[in-house]
Amino acid sequence: GAVVSQHPSRVICKSGTSVKIECRSLDFQATTMFWYRQFPKQSLMLMATSNEGSKATYEQGVEKDKFLINHASLTLSTLTVTSAHPEDSSFYICSAREYIGYGSGYTFGSGTRLTVV
Amino acid sequence: DQQVKQNSPSLSVQEGRISILNCDYTNSMFDYFLWYKKYPAEGPTFLISISSIKDKNEDGRFTVFLNKSAKHLSLHIVPSQPGDSAVYFCAALIRGKLIFGQGTELSVKP
Repeated sequence: GAVVSQHPSRVICKSGTSVKIECRSLDFQATTMFWYRQFPKQSLMLMATSNEGSKATYEQGVEKDKFLINHASLTLSTLTVTSAHPEDSSFYICSAREYIGYGSGYTFGSGTRLTVV
Repeated sequence: DQQVKQNSPSLSVQEGRISILNCDYTNSMFDYFLWYKKYPAEGPTFLISISSIKDKNEDGRFTVFLNKSAKHLSLHIVPSQPGDSAVYFCAALIRGKLIFGQGTELSVKP
């Protein structure tokens, strides 16, 4: 089945620094990738949708200058949290879409636990 | 504005019995619904889905029911097994994007 690899699984960074998270589709080409954020005991909140070769579309309330998304190839999307602050600490999850029919083909990575100290 | 709601944060069921997880939604434009299972510190894994033109879909021990007039769907797991213990999310699809509920933590006791 489709596999999405997300790295790193866990990262601790100092306040003010930037952190990059990678999301790769290992055995399929993903024209669309999604980035989610999850706070403890809460829903997965969609942050942005990225399409290969074009600018990401951000959801309302998500700062595009803070959360930089690059989808340079059909198998790789990156999320860079710039000038991270403790309130950016969260669980970030990516999803890659392989179009195999309407409503299907959404595969998730294993997530990245970001802690900003 | 939570468009997809799972009002029960947790559910405890005895092994072998039925687990029923509920989900309500507000947006009538949602045309596809999915259920995901998630363990801590992992990404969600797909379980079962249903199109808005259907009212039931079954896959082994898992059945999803959709009541469009009530904007309500439910996931039935029969029989429940201890390995089913996890957080279950319902999600609705609109314009290619998945909108998730808050999740229900299912605990299946041996």
